[in-house]
Amino acid sequence: GNSVTQMEGPVTLSEEAFLTINCTYTATGYPSLFWYVQYPGEGLQLLLKATKADDKGSNKGFEATYRKETTSFHLEKGSVQVSDSAVYFCALDNYGQNFVFGPGTRLSVLP
Amino acid sequence: EAQVTQNPRYLITVTGKKLTVTCSQNMNHEYMSWYRQDPGLGLRQIYYSMNVEVTDKGDVPEGYKVSRKEKRNFPLILESPSPNQTSLYFCASSGSSYNSPLHFGNGTRLTVT
Repeated sequence: GNSVTQMEGPVTLSEEAFLTINCTYTATGYPSLFWYVQYPGEGLQLLLKATKADDKGSNKGFEATYRKETTSFHLEKGSVQVSDSAVYFCALDNYGQNFVFGPGTRLSVLP
Repeated sequence: EAQVTQNPRYLITVTGKKLTVTCSQNMNHEYMSWYRQDPGLGLRQIYYSMNVEVTDKGDVPEGYKVSRKEKRNFPLILESPSPNQTSLYFCASSGSSYNSPLHFGNGTRLTVT
């Protein structure tokens, strides 16, 4: 079946540090891949997505590249801010068979 | 504004007292789904619906019911709530194309005593 694995954290960084949150997936075919972010007290919001191999999704300084050869979709940001503190979820959608989410990674950015 | 609206945001109830959490979307989405979020377990799907009058079980359907009589609404029903259903619940919707993202409501925090 389909599954998503991501580093669970928590991850604690200083402001302006480089961020990487690893995500790998298992799926047949060519799923679409997503990163969602959940700020305290809110629902999940789409951060970025990629729909085919080698696509790069980007938004708000975050990037992730769809790597089919390593079945990965790692989230990166060059310089994090305190306002980036949130929980980040990697997810896949395999031809509308339903979204599968990773367990989430809590990020805390200290000033 | 395109949105998914859940009500209520907070709910405290007692074991066995039937309750309904409402969910409505204004984006004409075919697909709707319910998730529960628990510490250390991430998001787990309860039920989903591909369209009106079409519903299917997700990963953790026991103790829950849903209905999809109209495209915009997808209520979650707990006929006899138990303390293990204390959780944070999210409704979500998406369009019909396979790479359409999910749009989430702001969540309902349910406590069953």
